[in-house]
Amino acid sequence: DAGITQSPRYKITETGRQVTLMCHQTWSHSYMFWYRQDLGHGLRLIYYSAAADITDKGEVPDGYVVSRSKTENFPLTLESATRSQTSVYFCASNLAGTDEQFFGPGTRLTVL
Amino acid sequence: DQQVKQNSPSLSVQEGRISILNCDYTNSMFDYFLWYKKYPAEGPTFLISISSIKDKNEDGRFTVFLNKSAKHLSLHIVPSQPGDSAVYFCAAGNAGNMLTFGGGTRLMVKP
Repeated sequence: DAGITQSPRYKITETGRQVTLMCHQTWSHSYMFWYRQDLGHGLRLIYYSAAADITDKGEVPDGYVVSRSKTENFPLTLESATRSQTSVYFCASNLAGTDEQFFGPGTRLTVL
Repeated sequence: DQQVKQNSPSLSVQEGRISILNCDYTNSMFDYFLWYKKYPAEGPTFLISISSIKDKNEDGRFTVFLNKSAKHLSLHIVPSQPGDSAVYFCAAGNAGNMLTFGGGTRLMVKP
């Protein structure tokens, strides 16, 4: 499918477990982003990547790890999940030099 | 400290009337602004944007106004339709492709 996809769409896990959220885009966009959406906070940037093998921290990076070995994939890993990481996670991408970011459908993560 | 704020968490309007959603920002270095619309269980979708060198941009029923001296932007929807009911996020960006989002405003358009 063309566009940007996320998997899984829903995930329930337990405190202390490792979880990886996947993001895949078919546009060959150079920039990719991970956000979390929480009530009252809007969308907050966790990590972003300007190109393969280039990543950088956003506003709320603690507890998360990213990698980008291929342009089209940008996985987000919670190395030891905490209840405060219960949230909806959105991946986005855009072409360098353009303003608009395109968002995936989101992953709803619950940490028990 | 939130650099982009949407002070109204919700707004209710009658179908056919105007909806006005507001957004304030503090960082004068932002050089473009966007509005996104979000339905439940979906990702945000781009609606309209404006460069900091302009004060108005229009696209069909949607108009965004920018007041740089007041660090304020607004989205006008005329006429409002029930399908416009969604959460609206304003976002601000500068060099580097990163966006800073407001907290969102839930718009309800009543038939």
